[in-house]
Amino acid sequence: QKEVEQNSGPLSVPEGAIASLNCTYSDRGSQSFFWYRQYSGKSPELIMFIYSNGDKEDGRFTAQLNKASQYVSLLIRDSQPSDSATYLCALQAGTALIFGKGTTLSVSS
Amino acid sequence: EPEVTQTPSHQVTQMGQEVILRCVPISNHLYFYWYRQILGQKVEFLVSFYNNEISEKSEIFDDQFSVERPDGSNFTLKIRSTKLEDSAMYFCASRPVRGRNTEAFFGQGTRLTVV
Repeated sequence: QKEVEQNSGPLSVPEGAIASLNCTYSDRGSQSFFWYRQYSGKSPELIMFIYSNGDKEDGRFTAQLNKASQYVSLLIRDSQPSDSATYLCALQAGTALIFGKGTTLSVSS
Repeated sequence: EPEVTQTPSHQVTQMGQEVILRCVPISNHLYFYWYRQILGQKVEFLVSFYNNEISEKSEIFDDQFSVERPDGSNFTLKIRSTKLEDSAMYFCASRPVRGRNTEAFFGQGTRLTVV
């Protein structure tokens, strides 16, 4: 059974700070990982994916993958109140995505 | 920008009734999915569909669930005899190709309430 674990939070950061979101997974063979953002009552929207060890940057977002330790993280620089949402970590299993429960981020102005 | 559309946005049904949730995936996509999210819980995979047949399904997707692509555009999820615990947000998603790094695009969801 492939599992994705996230701290549900809430994680509270002030505007302009760096938010750090973490995720661990159970299956060492997992290859591809995704970060989705979900606003309350809305559908998940992709922020970025990562499949190589190391860092991947896209604007204010940086995803980090460490396969040896089986964790994935997402850093959000210069956090804005509009970043307040639930962040879902997911891994690809076959054709499906397996999601964690998500971490709620609250950015205060 | 192309998007996945779902109808209805909210469906209320009585326990034991059949419901059909509808989705129009993005037109050139090949893989279609249904996920559900019970309130306050995680997004759960139900089924994937490719080349007019089920590709994968989860333990949740039992005999009371079925999927169909009745024409070239619609993709439906049928729940034959709804239970209270089927109340959830149901998301349809589509992907252009198989591959490890292709984005799944989600529709806005159908909130199903079983009373």
